[in-house]
This record gives sequence, C-alpha cells and structure tokens, in this order.
Amino acid sequence: EDKVVQSPLSLVVHEGDTVTLNCSYEVTNFRSLLWYKQEKKAPTFLFMLTSSGIEKKSGRLSSILDKKELFSILNITATQTGDSAIYLCAVEAGEKSSGDKLTFGTGTRLAVRP
Amino acid sequence: GAVVSQHPSWVICKSGTSVKIECRSLDFQATTMFWYRQFPKQSLMLMATSNEGSKATYEQGVEKDKFLINHASLTLSTLTVTSAHPEDSSFYICSANPFETQYFGPGTRLLVL
Repeated sequence: EDKVVQSPLSLVVHEGDTVTLNCSYEVTNFRSLLWYKQEKKAPTFLFMLTSSGIEKKSGRLSSILDKKELFSILNITATQTGDSAIYLCAVEAGEKSSGDKLTFGTGTRLAVRP
Repeated sequence: GAVVSQHPSWVICKSGTSVKIECRSLDFQATTMFWYRQFPKQSLMLMATSNEGSKATYEQGVEKDKFLINHASLTLSTLTVTSAHPEDSSFYICSANPFETQYFGPGTRLLVL
C-alpha cells in the first residue's frame, strides 16, 4: 500500500522565521511528488517534483526531492502571516496504465504569528 | 486518524450515461465534505462543498445540474455525473475536515468513452 507521511503535523512560528516541512513516501512505481497549500478551501498547487536534486523555487518557497532517500522538503523563508495554511504533500505512483492515482499525506498545519 | 473512503475507485462508462460516486466518512461524522476534480498534471480543483441536509455549494464554472451532489447523512456524500461525456473523464477526490485537518478519500478515476 502506498504511503505518504508528513512531519511535523503542526508548527507555530513567528514572522520572519524559516521553516522546513518534510514529506517521506513509500510507494510502488513513483512518478512525481506534489506540494499543495490549502487555506480555506481548495488546495492550491505549489510544486511538482520528478527528479532528484533539482530545487524548484517560487519566491520565498522552495522544494527539493531525494528519490534515493524517498523524501522531499518544502522550505519557506522569511515567513509571513499569509503563509499560515495546511501544506499537503501528494505522490503520484503506479503504472501509467492505472491512471494518475495520488496518495496524499495528512498535511502540516503551519501557523505564522505576527 | 479519520478515514474517508470512496467507491468505486475507478469506472469506465459510455458517453451519455450517469455515474454515481460515493464518499464515506468511516469513523467520524462529516457535516461538510468537499469534492475535487483533478485533470492529469494539474492541481486539485474544488468543484463543490457538500453540506449535510442542505444544498451543495458549487464553485464558479461548475454546472450544478450536471454534477449532482447529495449529502443525505452525516457519513455519506454522493456525486453523480449526469450524461457523462469524454471531457468529464478525470480523477474525482472527496475530502472532509473533521479535526481541522483535511482527510482525502483515495479518489475515483472516471473514464468516459
């Protein structure tokens, strides 16, 4: 059974801090790992990672994948209160013929205090 | 932790038929469930919020007459894709948020031929 584990489950920091969120996975036929940010409603897409060691960056957010150790991290630098959200990690795995099945972690709830 | 199940996990149907997808909360009660759709290599897109005992709230651009949602009990929400067409082929995921954490179902892959 495919498994995605995120840590920590929740995190409280102050504005300006840097945070690192973790996602480890055990899946069969890994294809990609995705990070989402979820606030009130629909999760919004952040990154898709398919190759090891290549950092993806968007503003203050960056992410990298280690396919050997089966994990990914999401970094947020100079955090702002607007970064408060649940961050979801999901892994796409399985044979291509079986479709794009996603296995999600339960998320990391980040709270950024002023 | 909370468990959300979906049934079926995949379905293939002919164009013009209707397909019902069930979303169940197995160990908690959910007054609200969310239905998402995801096309390949794209993000989850919220379709609607399912509310127990009342009408669902649909996101802009989602046809309520085409995607019928029923949330008749505290543990079951159903999404019916009426008169399905090939462009409705997608991955449909439901979720619930019982303890301020989003719990997703495993998803239903729909292929309309």
